[in-house]
Amino acid sequence: NAGVTQTPKFRILKIGQSMTLQCTQDMNHNYMYWYRQDPGMGLKLIYYSVGAGITDKGEVPNGYNVSRSTTEDFPLRLELAAPSQTSVYFCASSYGGQGVREQYFGPGTRLTVT
Amino acid sequence: AQSVSQHNHHVILSEAASLELGCNYSYGGTVNLFWYVQYPGQHLQLLLKYFSGDPLVKGIKGFEAEFIKSKFSFNLRKPSVQWSDTAEYFCAVNALLSSGSARQLTFGSGTQLTVLP
Repeated sequence: NAGVTQTPKFRILKIGQSMTLQCTQDMNHNYMYWYRQDPGMGLKLIYYSVGAGITDKGEVPNGYNVSRSTTEDFPLRLELAAPSQTSVYFCASSYGGQGVREQYFGPGTRLTVT
Repeated sequence: AQSVSQHNHHVILSEAASLELGCNYSYGGTVNLFWYVQYPGQHLQLLLKYFSGDPLVKGIKGFEAEFIKSKFSFNLRKPSVQWSDTAEYFCAVNALLSSGSARQLTFGSGTQLTVLP
């Protein structure tokens, strides 16, 4: 299994541009998550999904959108990039049934907005 | 709202020294606790987890953590660190989302551990 994969690894955007960060998992996990990691701030949840067709906002959703058309894919969309969105973005997945499961993280996307 | 505090932002140790990283959380209900490690330039990896049972849990690479419910703490320990343990360490608490339909991890701000050879 490849686990959780993310593309691209690095990206530089200009203010106002848009882009989609891709995330795919091959573990048949129903839950998927997007986080951003800023220095000294830990990870903040942007959006999450409990299954195909179901998404919901996390702690810091402003400026982002997501969709979940399949179990495997959970892309994150930035519509109008702003310098405040400069960050490292991690996608994660987990099995979220009645029990509790740990989350598995992708390698991250380092995004710079200038 | 749930929160997780890691009071040590940067810890510097020499090889073979003992390690203890603090983690405190605020949540009144049942908790599930995790420690993740992030090696330089890499993604987060699970170090150990506590769901229930024995409050002393052992993880990979000789790490262990003790859940003390009365102190709302889940401190990470290792008797003798190695240079390869240099990394950032994140404590996380599993909590119900407001919708009740999923669980999210609330992360602490992380502790950067530097081990000097």
